[in-house]
Amino acid sequence: SYDLTQSPSVSVSPGQTASVTCSGDKLGDKYVSWYQLKPGQSPVLVIYQDRERPSGIPERFSGSNSGNTATLTISGTQALDEADYYCQAWDIYTVVFGGGTKLTVL
Amino acid sequence: QVTLRESGPALVKPTQTLTLTCTFSGFSLATRKMGVTWVRQAPGKAPEWLALIDWDGDKYYSPSLKTRLTISKDTSKNQVILRMTNMDPVDTATYYCAQTTYFYGTGSREDSFDIWGQGTMVTVSS
Repeated sequence: SYDLTQSPSVSVSPGQTASVTCSGDKLGDKYVSWYQLKPGQSPVLVIYQDRERPSGIPERFSGSNSGNTATLTISGTQALDEADYYCQAWDIYTVVFGGGTKLTVL
Repeated sequence: QVTLRESGPALVKPTQTLTLTCTFSGFSLATRKMGVTWVRQAPGKAPEWLALIDWDGDKYYSPSLKTRLTISKDTSKNQVILRMTNMDPVDTATYYCAQTTYFYGTGSREDSFDIWGQGTMVTVSS
């Protein structure tokens, strides 16, 4: 089975840039999506096809994917960005999620 | 505006069958490339993908749960139903449905899950 690995936690100061990474074998050959999960709320798609932002997602969210690592970057991080972030990809008609990264805005 | 809402029992007993319904609006499963997927998240765990059904009736299942899952659709009612047999306490989780749009990318299917329902919490306990 295909595995996606994320660091359990990332901390960032307000206004700074946060980077959340997702690693997998030849992940750059796949498209990666990113989801934001806050307690008590529905998951929100923040990046799809590696770097595309859905309508309504702030420009401070961006993504990249190359080699074995995909990265979600949040520029000018705000307190409301504090959440769990999960990467997701397909592997032979099966969907895989990463283990998640808890972003703390200190 | 796309909305989805999950419904089903909050509590099921071990060995019972769980039936969940996803009722949606703002899109139709009669429309090419539309799909609905189910994902669950156990407390403190990462999301786990369960199943997906396409506008044309094609179905996809998690390999680890395939023998226990059945996904179906009622296009006229804008509903997708998920059945999971032989429930166990480890199946305790919040179950979500989400809308997908078929996308074939770099050699395989690569949709994202665009809009999610608010989820329904299911506890498995005797």
